[in-house]
Amino acid sequence: EIVMTQSPATLSVSPGERATLSCRASQSLTSSLAWYQQKPGQAPRLLIYGASTRATGIPARFSGSGSGTEFTLTISSLQSEDFAVYYCQQYKNWPPITFGQGTRLEIK
Amino acid sequence: QITLKESGPTLVKPTQTLTLTCTFSGLSLSTSTVGVGWIRQPPGKALEWLALIYWDDDKRYSPSLRSRLSISKDTSKKQVVLTMTNVDPVDTATYYCAHKPSGVAHFDYWGLGTLVTVSS
Repeated sequence: EIVMTQSPATLSVSPGERATLSCRASQSLTSSLAWYQQKPGQAPRLLIYGASTRATGIPARFSGSGSGTEFTLTISSLQSEDFAVYYCQQYKNWPPITFGQGTRLEIK
Repeated sequence: QITLKESGPTLVKPTQTLTLTCTFSGLSLSTSTVGVGWIRQPPGKALEWLALIYWDDDKRYSPSLRSRLSISKDTSKKQVVLTMTNVDPVDTATYYCAHKPSGVAHFDYWGLGTLVTVSS
């Protein structure tokens, strides 16, 4: 099973600033990684797939990078609606499909 | 427009069998390599993938829960059903169904989720 580790667990950033979230895989994923955003009481929303491709309707301030075992989600200029929990998910070698434990992005 | 909606009991007793139904619209489960999966989330915790069924009825399960899970589909009714046997309070979670697009295994459309509590 591929273990996904996200860091930090909580990230405090001021609106308008840049946020950088990390995800590490226990083995190489090439680019088979997705990122999701989840707000309280809502279902996850797909942001990025293939490590760097934005999903339909996702603003350009969200970008994904990385390959192999190290991945990054960057939000270039935080808006109020971006404060949420973010999950990474691997689909390189499954079952099982595995998720990280999440990074909570909070307002500083 | 693609929509998915989960339905099922909100309260189940320990050792009982849980049956959840995902009813979808706007997507075809007849398209090659698409699928519908189930993911759950205990309160305050991370997402956990459970099972997935492909367009051609091929099925995949989480190895840790495989002995307790069964997934099936009724394409004519546009439904996917997940059954979990011998539930325990640790199975208390919000259960989501989600669409897996062709050729990859991420989830691009999700239902709103249904909270299932396991308690006597």
